[in-house]
Amino acid sequence: EEQLVESGGGLVKPGGSLRLSCAASGITFNRYNIHWVRQAPGKGLEWVSSITSDSNYITYRDSVKGRFTISRDNVKNSVSLQMNSLRAEDAAVYYCATFSTVSDYWGQGTLVTVSS
Amino acid sequence: QAVVTQEPSLTVSPGGTVTLTCGSSTGAVTSGHYPYWFQQKPGQAPRTLIYDTSGKHSWTPARFSGSLLGAKAALTLSGARPEDEAEYYCLLAYSDGRVFGGGTKLTVL
Repeated sequence: EEQLVESGGGLVKPGGSLRLSCAASGITFNRYNIHWVRQAPGKGLEWVSSITSDSNYITYRDSVKGRFTISRDNVKNSVSLQMNSLRAEDAAVYYCATFSTVSDYWGQGTLVTVSS
Repeated sequence: QAVVTQEPSLTVSPGGTVTLTCGSSTGAVTSGHYPYWFQQKPGQAPRTLIYDTSGKHSWTPARFSGSLLGAKAALTLSGARPEDEAEYYCLLAYSDGRVFGGGTKLTVL
């Protein structure tokens, strides 16, 4: 089955850290750019970060620059999002996804809660 | 980063036609923004309907089409069905990343 599965979400205090992971199966992972997209409860989609298939080009939304780091391992078919200095406004369901002219795979999402 | 704007809500009658638009704070939306349109239903992950302005996947119903309309990207639904009631998001690409619009809640009524 072709799927992306996120893990690593949870409850963290403001200023804390979490590392999200996204594991791919059934797809040719190393062909695809991967994106992290988040959605706060009852709110819209927010693009967070993207990494190209070869890791040569990485982008972040302004509000997470310097705090979040995306990386991938094409041998393990996985992508990670290291999130440091977390803020209340980072609380959301985080999806990993690949969407392109030839693909559209989304994980089920992992919930990140930031609260003291 | 840029701000991408969409109508917050629209209503269409069953069988009717509606156009959703997607604008950019930086100026006209062009094919160089590679506009995407996603559909999201409650409790589900988003799904791509349109890529690169007007491209369709095999699962995209024929009643959906994408285009550039004036200075905006547009998603047109012709022959709305009850199952099209959902939230629709556009996504534009910029040199420093991507930006989603705020979403349009489409009601079929």
